[in-house]
Amino acid sequence: EVQLVESGGGLTQPGGSLRLSCAASGFTVGSNSMSWVRQAPGKGLEWVSVIYSGGSTYYTDSVKGRFTISRDSSKNTLYLQMNNLRAEDTAVYYCASGWKYFDLWGRGTLVTVSS
Amino acid sequence: QSALTQPASVSGSPGQSITISCIAPSSDVVGYKYVSWYQQHPGKAPKLVIYDVANRPSGVSNRFSGSKSGNTASLTISGLQAEDEADYYCSSYTTISTVIFGGGTRLTVL
Repeated sequence: EVQLVESGGGLTQPGGSLRLSCAASGFTVGSNSMSWVRQAPGKGLEWVSVIYSGGSTYYTDSVKGRFTISRDSSKNTLYLQMNNLRAEDTAVYYCASGWKYFDLWGRGTLVTVSS
Repeated sequence: QSALTQPASVSGSPGQSITISCIAPSSDVVGYKYVSWYQQHPGKAPKLVIYDVANRPSGVSNRFSGSKSGNTASLTISGLQAEDEADYYCSSYTTISTVIFGGGTRLTVL
């Protein structure tokens, strides 16, 4: 079965760090462009970042300099390192396959930033 | 970048057709060629229902169709069913290699 499973979410204080993981099965992370999309509680979808199959990375303005997307092909896993977290980063974070549209989604992992 | 503009809500009765619009704010959406639509039920991950304006992924009902005119993209759902009640989001790839989403539309099946 083709699936993406996120992990690593949780509660952290403002200024803290978390690393999200997205483990893929039946699907090769390194051969595909992969993205992170988040959804604040009760709000809409917001694109966060992409890593293209060739390795280029892009970020939404609000996370530039704080978040880093990466992948480990040997572990078939996508990552999102999140530093200097803010209250407004509180959201469910989804990993998804694709760069212009997203055809495979994980179930998401909740990140809560609060003191 | 500005988000895409969608109506907050639409409604329709079973069997009817509804259309959700999605307006691009500017020319930074790559000619609006890469519009996609997602369905999201409460507590669930989004599901792709239309990509590249009018293409339907395998397994998505042919009751879902997409179109575009100028800077306005549209999602039409025909023969409304109770299971179609959900939130719908449009998105577009941009000229600076990012993706923007619309604010979402809540579809209520009466």
